[in-house]
Amino acid sequence: AQKVTQAQTEISVVEKEDVTLDCVYETRDTTYYLFWYKQPPSGELVFLIRRNSFDEQNEISGRYSWNFQKSTSSFNFTITASQVVDSAVYFCALSEMNRDDKIIFGKGTRLHILP
Amino acid sequence: NAGVTQTPKFRILKIGQSMTLQCAQDMNHNYMYWYRQDPGMGLKLIYYSVGAGITDKGEVPNGYNVSRSTTEDFPLRLELAAPSQTSVYFCASSPSIYIQYFGAGTRLSVL
Repeated sequence: AQKVTQAQTEISVVEKEDVTLDCVYETRDTTYYLFWYKQPPSGELVFLIRRNSFDEQNEISGRYSWNFQKSTSSFNFTITASQVVDSAVYFCALSEMNRDDKIIFGKGTRLHILP
Repeated sequence: NAGVTQTPKFRILKIGQSMTLQCAQDMNHNYMYWYRQDPGMGLKLIYYSVGAGITDKGEVPNGYNVSRSTTEDFPLRLELAAPSQTSVYFCASSPSIYIQYFGAGTRLSVL
């Protein structure tokens, strides 16, 4: 069965600090996708990244980076030099291939960046 | 390019009333989804569709119905609204490459 666990319910950091959001997943499939979505206070869901299970390379996009480790079933998300605009709820999600694109979301981590 | 459009943005219903949440996408995506997001929780899949004329239940389908007569539209129907259906509802579409594009959401309160 699919499961996504985001153990951190809420995190607060001071602006310019680095912060890592944890994501641990469970799946019986060997082929799957992992995602991160951002939900700012305005409420919409913004796609950040998709990673397939065959590609364990870490990815960096500006201040955002993602660490995918199959050995620990984790897909952690780091924001460096955080900014107030990064304040949002962040969701990690998992989709097993050949499952009609169904995505299972974690409960989300609410990130507060304090000025 | 409008993307995924949900209407209405907000709605208050009385217990037992019915309503339809509208969702339309202009990206010609085959896959469409309805999720609900309860406070402090992640998204739970209500129904999904892999193409016009095909729908299937997700994780929490009870109390809801859907139809998919066209590729563009995927309305969600609540027949007898209950307080437990108070939530934010998100519609999403996907071109079947595992990226879902979300609408802005509909905030529903059942009182």
